[in-house]
Amino acid sequence: NAGVTQTPKFQVLKTGQSMTLQCAQDMNHEYMSWYRQDPGMGLRLIHYSVGAGITDQGEVPNGYNVSRSTTEDFPLRLLSAAPSQTSVYFCASSSYGTVTSNQPQHFGDGTRLSIL
Amino acid sequence: AQKITQTQPGMFVQEKEAVTLDCTYDTSDPSYGLFWYKQPSSGEMIFLIYQGSYDQQNATEGRYSLNFQKARKSANLVISASQLGDSAMYFCAMSPRNTPLVFGKGTRLSVIA
Repeated sequence: NAGVTQTPKFQVLKTGQSMTLQCAQDMNHEYMSWYRQDPGMGLRLIHYSVGAGITDQGEVPNGYNVSRSTTEDFPLRLLSAAPSQTSVYFCASSSYGTVTSNQPQHFGDGTRLSIL
Repeated sequence: AQKITQTQPGMFVQEKEAVTLDCTYDTSDPSYGLFWYKQPSSGEMIFLIYQGSYDQQNATEGRYSLNFQKARKSANLVISASQLGDSAMYFCAMSPRNTPLVFGKGTRLSVIA
């Protein structure tokens, strides 16, 4: 079972470079999210999507773009990388709003990104 | 705005003892879900347990139980009979109506032999 697949697992960038973190899920989930994890900060929501063609901002969206052209894919773009974006990035998906269900969010294994 | 507070940055517990990890939350939405996740040193996020705001009974999953006190807005995780493999970061999270999870800052649990 593939679940949520993130690529790459590790990446080093120079300040000002751009790149796209890939996220794909094969569970036909409507909801997908991107989080960043920094030491002592827990996971903070960057952007999320409730379905193809629909995206919204989370707590820390600045410096990141997303799009959702298909149900399966939810890429995260860094337009001009900054050292403050050094972090571990997690993509997650779920079948629908998690309020009335015990279906948890499924997480990818994370992308460790360093900006020099 | 929704908020999760975990006041214990680190906890130690003796092997085979029980431990309680604290979590309080804040939301104005009457319908929400509460979750606990475990993150071992390998980095993956592992779902442990879920509690719905309208559930009458506290959730249990094996050695994990959730002490849900709605009036106090607390959702503490209790791990019974701690094992060395329980050493990890533990995150409390909440999902208000149809929105993604909001996480606390986590508690690092260390189990001592």
